[in-house]
Amino acid sequence: DQQVKQNSPSLSVQEGRISILNCDYTNSMFDYFLWYKKYPAEGPTFLISISSIKDKNEDGRFTVFLNKSAKHLSLHIVPSQPGDSAVYFCAASVYGAGNMLTFGGGTRLMVKP
Amino acid sequence: DVKVTQSSRYLVKRTGEKVFLECVQDMDHENMFWYRQDPGLGLRLIYFSYDVKMKEKGDIPEGYSVSREKKERFSLILESASTNQTSMYLCASSFGSGSGTYETQYFGPGTRLLVL
Repeated sequence: DQQVKQNSPSLSVQEGRISILNCDYTNSMFDYFLWYKKYPAEGPTFLISISSIKDKNEDGRFTVFLNKSAKHLSLHIVPSQPGDSAVYFCAASVYGAGNMLTFGGGTRLMVKP
Repeated sequence: DVKVTQSSRYLVKRTGEKVFLECVQDMDHENMFWYRQDPGLGLRLIYFSYDVKMKEKGDIPEGYSVSREKKERFSLILESASTNQTSMYLCASSFGSGSGTYETQYFGPGTRLLVL
């Protein structure tokens, strides 16, 4: 059973609007969460992370929100740009577990000009 | 910048062949990982290594083995390739478990393997 789920396989957004990508997890031991971005024919690149002691982390146009009680996190991209079109993976880890990451299935974001 | 390179971008092999995928990182990272990426399933961990000659099974190790003879190099071996091993294979590395912090994994560009 997948411990990290991204229930939307794809999302289409107009340029300049907000993109919201969602991720749910089931393992309450997870205490660190990351978002990776992947373009075709390239490896995933780290985008932003959040520790479970926080509920929000912001980096430029990207903000990640964590709701521990709901076991839910989301990535907000504001404003969305065509270059943001990619597959976004949510990942989670447990401190001390050898830096192993558990990934969600990914969401393909398409930002239309 | 961390650089993780993989020996091939595309490979076509036949069922039953032995396949070697190589990964090299240039940042003296202790940890190295092999994943496969399939549509809708995300990245699934095959094996990882936290030191030379050390290896740990991930979520889907069946049909694969690994080798880490040098710190910078981590090889994934498909002993007898099968069609269900057609996938994108991604290698990653991270600094090391002794840092006491959460760590980012850095990924190579991937090898797309087709087994006929």
